[in-house]
Amino acid sequence: DAEITQSPRHKITETGRQVTLACHQTWNHNNMFWYRQDLGHGLRLIHYSYGVQDTNKGEVSDGYSVSRSNTEDLPLTLESAASSQTSVYFCASSGGGEETQYFGPGTRLLVL
Amino acid sequence: GQNIDQPTEMTATEGAIVQINCTYQTSGFNGLFWYQQHAGEAPTFLSYNVLDGLEEKGRFSSFLSRSKGYSYLLLKELQMKDSASYLCAVRKNTDKLIFGTGTRLQVFP
Repeated sequence: DAEITQSPRHKITETGRQVTLACHQTWNHNNMFWYRQDLGHGLRLIHYSYGVQDTNKGEVSDGYSVSRSNTEDLPLTLESAASSQTSVYFCASSGGGEETQYFGPGTRLLVL
Repeated sequence: GQNIDQPTEMTATEGAIVQINCTYQTSGFNGLFWYQQHAGEAPTFLSYNVLDGLEEKGRFSSFLSRSKGYSYLLLKELQMKDSASYLCAVRKNTDKLIFGTGTRLQVFP
């Protein structure tokens, strides 16, 4: 069965370190998205991609970057982790059209 | 700008019916999704409306009025397992989703 996975599921890091969160999907979807979820804010879009070599900034992109070198993966990098980036991060993918986005299980990131 | 509003919390009794409302103001509209999210888990798809009217799926129904910028999710015959957060999300023309902050529903026996 097709799926979308994230790793690691939990991560503790220190302020200033570079962190990369992995997202891998086997749906063969062109569209992939990264969100963060915080109490009182709901899901907010960080970056998204509509295909290989395509990346776009979402509403809260400062301090984050992504790259899309193949269809299956969209890694999210925190260039220099800050305590404000402590959050739960969800990756999602969709085939576009009227299709829903399918969410990965999430990564809980704690920046100390 | 864009704004999506839904109540923060609701409570209901097992076996009852509950309606969760969502109002939105966005530039570019290409449908509205409802997701369910249990604590500590990922959101999962419940329903999608792009045209005005009611979509029914078993115990869950969703309604959309585009002219009023309004949707609701109706849950019938509530079960304890329906205790979760319910997320309203507007799909923009570019396939991006804009989410409300979610409604936490607690079902009591």
